[in-house]
Amino acid sequence: AQTVTQSQPEMSVQEAETVTLSCTYDTSENNYYLFWYKQPPSRQMILVIRQEAYKQQNATENRFSVNFQKAAKSFSLKISDSQLGDTAMYFCAFKMGSQGNLIFGKGTKLSVKP
Amino acid sequence: NAGVTQTPKFQVLKTGQSMTLQCAQDMNHEYMSWYRQDPGMGLRLIHYSVGAGITDQGEVPNGYNVSRSTTEDFPLRLLSAAPSQTSVYFCASSYSTSGTAIRKQYFGPGTRLTVT
Repeated sequence: AQTVTQSQPEMSVQEAETVTLSCTYDTSENNYYLFWYKQPPSRQMILVIRQEAYKQQNATENRFSVNFQKAAKSFSLKISDSQLGDTAMYFCAFKMGSQGNLIFGKGTKLSVKP
Repeated sequence: NAGVTQTPKFQVLKTGQSMTLQCAQDMNHEYMSWYRQDPGMGLRLIHYSVGAGITDQGEVPNGYNVSRSTTEDFPLRLLSAAPSQTSVYFCASSYSTSGTAIRKQYFGPGTRLTVT
């Protein structure tokens, strides 16, 4: 069975600085997708970034980028120029194939301090 | 488009009561799913559906029923509520895909359920 592990329950960062959230996963499959979701206090789940496993190039969305290390089964999220609005829970998720269901990690609570 | 809507936003039940959490989407998505979120546990899949008339169990299906009579609606039924079902429930939907295409999954705003 696939598993997703987020080893940092909580992290904090100063406004305007850079922070990296860790995620590792376990699978024997070759065709899969990885995601980072943000959940602010409003509870709404917001897709931040996604990565197809067959793509070697790391995904980037504005201030958010990933470091995808397929051999190490690692998928970390880097947030540059952190903003107060980035304060939220961040969930790493795995999806096997295009039809599979999402499997979530337990989340990392990120606090951005002014 | 309203996206994915869930009702109610909050609900308190007594042990043994039954109720239905409503979920609807207006994006003609084939795939819909229900998750529960508990502190320190991330989101866990309860049930999902890949189209009208088709449902399947996820990771934690016990105590819940679903049906999918239309593309738009995917209600979640608690048959006999238990305190262990106190949680925040999320409904999600996306286009079903084939091949390597990956489609975004849209989440509803959540329902906070307390069972006393």
